[in-house]
Amino acid sequence: DAGVTQSPTHLIKTRGQHVTLRCSPISGHKSVSWYQQVLGQGPQFIFQYYEKEERGRGNFPDRFSARQFPNYSSELNVNALLLGDSALYLCASSLLGGETDTQYFGPGTRLTVL
Amino acid sequence: ELKVEQNPLFLSMQEGKNYTIYCNYSTTSDRLYWYRQDPGKSLESLFVLLSNGAVKQEGRLMASLDTKARLSTLHITAAVHDLSATYFCAVVRGKLTFGQGTILTVHP
Repeated sequence: DAGVTQSPTHLIKTRGQHVTLRCSPISGHKSVSWYQQVLGQGPQFIFQYYEKEERGRGNFPDRFSARQFPNYSSELNVNALLLGDSALYLCASSLLGGETDTQYFGPGTRLTVL
Repeated sequence: ELKVEQNPLFLSMQEGKNYTIYCNYSTTSDRLYWYRQDPGKSLESLFVLLSNGAVKQEGRLMASLDTKARLSTLHITAAVHDLSATYFCAVVRGKLTFGQGTILTVHP
């Protein structure tokens, strides 16, 4: 079975631009979470979605938004990019999104903002 | 707000030696994960610890959890070069909160 997939693998943008990152969860998983990992730090929680509804949101500005589609895939959108948005963006899927569900991480999208 | 702290942040080990990485967290939780991350790669789940006194072992790595002390340890036995990576602990309380990571380098 395929694991969590993310696209693109790498992305280079300039300040002020907009970016969309995509994630497909493991088959059968209904919850997707997004994390930002800045170089040298641990991942930080951005969003969690379950059954197309936002279940949780981390401490990120409104420039960050996400959505989940009927097939449980998800998009993370970031507007008005800043240099500080350069990071590895990780998507994780879990069966139901509860605290007892293990999250499985995708390979990530490396975003560089110039 | 839940805080998760790891120490040490950097660990340089000689092959064959033993060492322990510590993970302290600030509020009650009964579920803790250990992950491994190789440079430029995603997170690989190593262990999930579910209750006080839980101990899990896989190869040269052993993880334990003391929920009363809010402390988890990752013990490395007879280190080998292949264990070189960054190790994260992460605590569940509504969401996953990660520590800063411990960069482990094993040299001959």
